[in-house]
Amino acid sequence: TQLLEQSPQFLSIQEGENLTVYCNSSSVFSSLQWYRQEPGEGPVLLVTVVTGGEVKKLKRLTFQFGDARKDSSLHITAAQPGDTGLYLCAGSYNFNKFYFGSGTKLNVKP
Amino acid sequence: DTGVSQDPRHKITKRGQNVTFRCDPISEHNRLYWYRQTLGQGPEFLTYFQNEAQLEKSRLLSDRFSAERPKGSFSTLEIQRTEQGDSAMYLCASYSRRRLGNEQFFGPGTRLTVL
Repeated sequence: TQLLEQSPQFLSIQEGENLTVYCNSSSVFSSLQWYRQEPGEGPVLLVTVVTGGEVKKLKRLTFQFGDARKDSSLHITAAQPGDTGLYLCAGSYNFNKFYFGSGTKLNVKP
Repeated sequence: DTGVSQDPRHKITKRGQNVTFRCDPISEHNRLYWYRQTLGQGPEFLTYFQNEAQLEKSRLLSDRFSAERPKGSFSTLEIQRTEQGDSAMYLCASYSRRRLGNEQFFGPGTRLTVL
């Protein structure tokens, strides 16, 4: 049983569409991170959120941490083929250990 | 290149053999993590070091797995008597709590296939 559940597991959309992926848990985390992983490579950090209700923007990506610090969402506006990859969320209680979700595999078709 | 490197990138072995993987972290990072990732899953925590001290090891990790970081720099992960269920990508990440952002930098991984 994973601490963090991500949905959807798979998402295939056309270039230009918007999408939201979710990361949910019954646990309260002190921080939550989002990563993107491409085939054959390690994950790369996109953002860290630490405050309940916090919203961070990274170009076309918007990240939100739930008020209760149990869930998070990632919204991508006008998706591009370069956004294709596996999106992972990871929660931590104290920045000592990181618990990853199972990921959302995104495919953006040109 | 100042990133995290792992060697080898791929390893194919027969069941019952021992294998050892190496991770070279970013030089000023005092934390080093090992994760295992199977197809369709996120990385699963195995163990981590602060300098040369191994601070935590996953309870899911059998006694066949051992990791070292003898001088607080590179680390090795050894799997003894490999089983087919050990087939996975083994990822290493390094991290410095002194830096803002608490970012883990991952290596490219070692893909292990046990026949």
